[in-house]
Amino acid sequence: DAGVIQSPRHEVTEMGQEVTLRCKPISGHNSLFWYRQTMMRGLELLIYFNNNVPIDDSGMPEDRFSAKMPNASFSTLKIQPSEPRDSAVYFCASSLASGTGGETQYFGPGTRLLVL
Amino acid sequence: AQSVTQLGSHVSVSEGALVLLRCNYSSSVPPYLFWYVQYPNQGLQLLLKYTTGATLVKGINGFEAEFKKSETSFHLTKPSAHMSDAAEYFCAVSDGSGYSTLTFGKGTMLLVSP
Repeated sequence: DAGVIQSPRHEVTEMGQEVTLRCKPISGHNSLFWYRQTMMRGLELLIYFNNNVPIDDSGMPEDRFSAKMPNASFSTLKIQPSEPRDSAVYFCASSLASGTGGETQYFGPGTRLLVL
Repeated sequence: AQSVTQLGSHVSVSEGALVLLRCNYSSSVPPYLFWYVQYPNQGLQLLLKYTTGATLVKGINGFEAEFKKSETSFHLTKPSAHMSDAAEYFCAVSDGSGYSTLTFGKGTMLLVSP
């Protein structure tokens, strides 16, 4: 079975440009999570969706960040405009949430973003 | 609210030595506990998890962890380290909210020397 798929794997852009990160969750999963990982702050949860609906976006750093999940098999994380401090590895994860908790999150390989 | 504390950002062991990575959690409800491993330039991969039942949980690659409620701990161990175990390890707790959200610790980098 295919795992969580993320694209691109690497992105280098200049400050001020728009960046779009993409994620395809595992088929049948109903929860999707976006994380950011940096040396300074570790692993941060940015936003998560359940059944394509955003549940909690309190981790989104600022209005420059937005995320969408138009259908069960696709999600995007957009940064506009990008800044050097956005440089990080961005992970997408998915799970099959049953309502009881304890479900495993499956992570994608990540997108390594460098903003110059 | 949940929180996770991993003692030691780096742990160094020799190949063949015991591995012990510490994790303490705080949770207002009975927790679900996880250990993930991250190899360089890869995503996180589940090592093992505790939900209910037996408090000693066995995972992949010879790792195991024991849930101790009285100590609010979920330490990860492996009897004999291998060079391939060098990676970063994350402990996480879920509150069982129904959305399978996780609160992660800051991670512990395991270094294995020959």
